[in-house]
Amino acid sequence: EPEVTQTPSHQVTQMGQEVILRCVPISNHLYFYWYRQILGQKVEFLVSFYNNEISEKSEIFDDQFSVERPDGSNFTLKIRSTKLEDSAMYFCASSAQGSYGYTFGSGTRLTVV
Amino acid sequence: GQNIDQPTEMTATEGAIVQINCTYQTSGFNGLFWYQQHAGEAPTFLSYNVLDGLEEKGRFSSFLSRSKGYSYLLLKELQMKDSASYLCAVGAGTASKLTFGTGTRLQVTL
Repeated sequence: EPEVTQTPSHQVTQMGQEVILRCVPISNHLYFYWYRQILGQKVEFLVSFYNNEISEKSEIFDDQFSVERPDGSNFTLKIRSTKLEDSAMYFCASSAQGSYGYTFGSGTRLTVV
Repeated sequence: GQNIDQPTEMTATEGAIVQINCTYQTSGFNGLFWYQQHAGEAPTFLSYNVLDGLEEKGRFSSFLSRSKGYSYLLLKELQMKDSASYLCAVGAGTASKLTFGTGTRLQVTL
């Protein structure tokens, strides 16, 4: 079964540093998403990406965040200057047709110290 | 905006049936989803309802009433491996983002 692959699985970074979280969506999917889940809290939408541009973003997705699809396979989330409160599990997801048929990656656990 | 409510925790016995309720208020509704999430893992898709009524899929069924903003997930013949969080989520908007509830942690006991 096709998978969404995320790397790394764990990342520890110093406050103020930049991090890039990487995702390889399923190859024939057109919609790409980033979600995050702070420990013990709900899964929160960050951003959706379609047709090489951001289609929607949440209030969490401020100027410190950016997304890119640098080539035909990768989809990245960059956090420019990490804060302690950015510590969370970050999930990438992709779908062929919107909400239905989402596949989530296994997540990157980001710890900011 | 969206608001989704579901119970925080439930406990049920192996072999029993459990119903997890979810109520929501939303705009631009395009589907109600249930996901299962084990601790430290990604959500995995269980069910999708866009029309009113019951969708059955093996041991799992999901019901939707759009007029009442209400859904439930029914799990039959509970097994220990069903111990997990169950996330109710609403799809909305052209980009089809999902808005999740806080999840219901289900503990299956012997």
